[in-house]
Amino acid sequence: QKEVEQDPGPLSVPEGAIVSLNCTYSNSAFQYFMWYRQYSRKGPELLMYTYSSGNKEDGRFTAQVDKSSKYISLFIRDSQPSDSATYLCAMSGPGTDKLIFGTGTRLQVFP
Amino acid sequence: ETGVTQSPTHLIKTRGQQVTLRCSSQSGHNTVSWYQQALGQGPQFIFQYYREEENGRGNFPPRFSGLQFPNYSSELNVNALELDDSALYLCASSLAGAGYEQYFGPGTRLTVT
Repeated sequence: QKEVEQDPGPLSVPEGAIVSLNCTYSNSAFQYFMWYRQYSRKGPELLMYTYSSGNKEDGRFTAQVDKSSKYISLFIRDSQPSDSATYLCAMSGPGTDKLIFGTGTRLQVFP
Repeated sequence: ETGVTQSPTHLIKTRGQQVTLRCSSQSGHNTVSWYQQALGQGPQFIFQYYREEENGRGNFPPRFSGLQFPNYSSELNVNALELDDSALYLCASSLAGAGYEQYFGPGTRLTVT
């Protein structure tokens, strides 16, 4: 079993839709939870990070962490074609900067 | 503010050869981490460098080695290349202790034939 599980998709939605992306994990020691966006043939771009449980909002993006369920989510409101990319969740535990990534979910937003 | 840069962009090598990949960290960042991303997979941590020393290593064999220089730039060296080493190699920089804010470069795509 992988430490971090993420549905690879693809997820196809119309422009303006609310998108929900999710990851589950098995290591209860994880403290930081990150979401990255990766366009084809590019490096991952940090969207946001959250410490421990709770919500964090940044513009059209909202990250949620539920440590009791070992489940994290990223919501994208008013999705745009430019949001079409692969979204990677990543996590790290105490005393280490090593990031453990999910496999990524490919999102396609069509006009 | 200068972002993370990597060179070369693409590289084709033959099995058994050696390769060196280079990374310049984002301005002000003193820690560099290297990741390997196979096609359709998430990045996998290779190792991290801080103060010119290896500071954590993932599940990669010793033929993967690295260096960090006084200006915080870094190199990844891979000896005895294998076909499975074909991947996108990503460098990420951060401040020490702030691994939750790692910023990635564009990557070097290595193909081993």
